[in-house]
Amino acid sequence: AQSVTQLDSHVSVSEGTPVLLRCNYSSSYSPSLFWYVQHPNKGLQLLLKYTSAATLVKGINGFEAEFKKSETSFHLTKPSAHMSDAAEYFCVVSVEGTDKLIFGTGTRLQVFP
Amino acid sequence: DTGVSQNPRHKITKRGQNVTFRCDPISEHNRLYWYRQTLGQGPEFLTYFQNEAQLEKSRLLSDRFSAERPKGSFSTLEIQRTEQGDSAMYLCASSLDGGSNQPQHFGDGTRLSIL
Repeated sequence: AQSVTQLDSHVSVSEGTPVLLRCNYSSSYSPSLFWYVQHPNKGLQLLLKYTSAATLVKGINGFEAEFKKSETSFHLTKPSAHMSDAAEYFCVVSVEGTDKLIFGTGTRLQVFP
Repeated sequence: DTGVSQNPRHKITKRGQNVTFRCDPISEHNRLYWYRQTLGQGPEFLTYFQNEAQLEKSRLLSDRFSAERPKGSFSTLEIQRTEQGDSAMYLCASSLDGGSNQPQHFGDGTRLSIL
């Protein structure tokens, strides 16, 4: 069965410093992985997706993620945090053969001035 | 692109009442999904449609829950005899077609509060 584990429930950074949000996945096949962002009382917005093409995936708003099969990881990074990045971030894996998405428990990113 | 629209945004009701939510997907999107998100958790899959056909239902979807997509456009999710545990954010998403290459686009959700 597929699953994702987000290793940090909260991450705090200062504006202008790098962001690292960690995600490990479990899958018996080559997975499709996603990162979504959710701002308060809003729906989810797709940041980026990995579907077995390039292992380094670039997304919107300067975010990127690297698929590492040997480490079963798909960490999300950004070189320089902005105040508007403060939100909840979800690592997501799709279930093989279906369109179902399995979400991690989320990482709340706080950005301090 | 008008995005996925969900109504109402908030619903407060007494335990035991029935509620119905509506989702309007992005036009020409064939797939429509419902998820439930409780406080502090990630969304959990409930069900999805390919056009008007309901293809899969989660075990989370008890017999008090029913979803329809009668003409393959908008969808409704009804909860009968609501319980305290039904309090959650209900999210709808749509995609152009199936497959992991087609991202799911989410609406802003309907927040249900059971008194």
